[in-house]
Amino acid sequence: QVQLLQSGAEVRQPGTSVKVSCKTSGYTFDNFHVNWVRQAPGQGLEWMGWMSPNSENTDFAEKFRGRVTVTSDTSITTVYMELRNLTLEDTAVYYCARGRSYFSYWGQGTLVTVSS
Amino acid sequence: QSVLTQPSSVSGAPGQKVTISCSGRTSNIGSNYVYWYQQFPGMAPKLLIYNNDQRPSGVPDRFSGSKSGTSASLAISGLQSEDEADYYCASWDDNVVGRGVFGPGTQVTVL
Repeated sequence: QVQLLQSGAEVRQPGTSVKVSCKTSGYTFDNFHVNWVRQAPGQGLEWMGWMSPNSENTDFAEKFRGRVTVTSDTSITTVYMELRNLTLEDTAVYYCARGRSYFSYWGQGTLVTVSS
Repeated sequence: QSVLTQPSSVSGAPGQKVTISCSGRTSNIGSNYVYWYQQFPGMAPKLLIYNNDQRPSGVPDRFSGSKSGTSASLAISGLQSEDEADYYCASWDDNVVGRGVFGPGTQVTVL
């Protein structure tokens, strides 16, 4: 069965970076895009960006451009999202989700807490 | 502020029908498909409707989606207690290439 398994919760100080992993399984990795969506505490969903399976194509919401990098290791079918220069407003649950237009499968979420 | 607009909450008695609206613009809903996600507290979202009105396998036919112009709606008929959750509409916006947009979410309460 299709699974997206994310890395565990992280705590970071403002100004630092965090890297979240998303281990995929149960499908052909090369056939599907992976998106990143975040949700601040008590808030709604916010689309961050997507990456093509071979990492050659990516796109991000304007507010994240220059601050986020998405990469993949196809040998272990894992996608990584690194967010830099963290602020308190980046505290959120970060989800990876499979799909090009709609997201059929989601990871369980990774809580990133930014606190001084 | 979300690009898409949804009511913050709707409610209904068991067995009733509730409808959640999602309003956008020509550049998003008017030009692209609409998707709906269901989310329970502490859980990841789940795809409920894709391509305006299609249900993934396993989604009960009590859930139905529609779209007209720059608006879309999700209807839940025969409301059940387990339908109490947050519902988000989503689409893509042509104004910025590759930009996904979500509505602010609607909390459904079963009275």
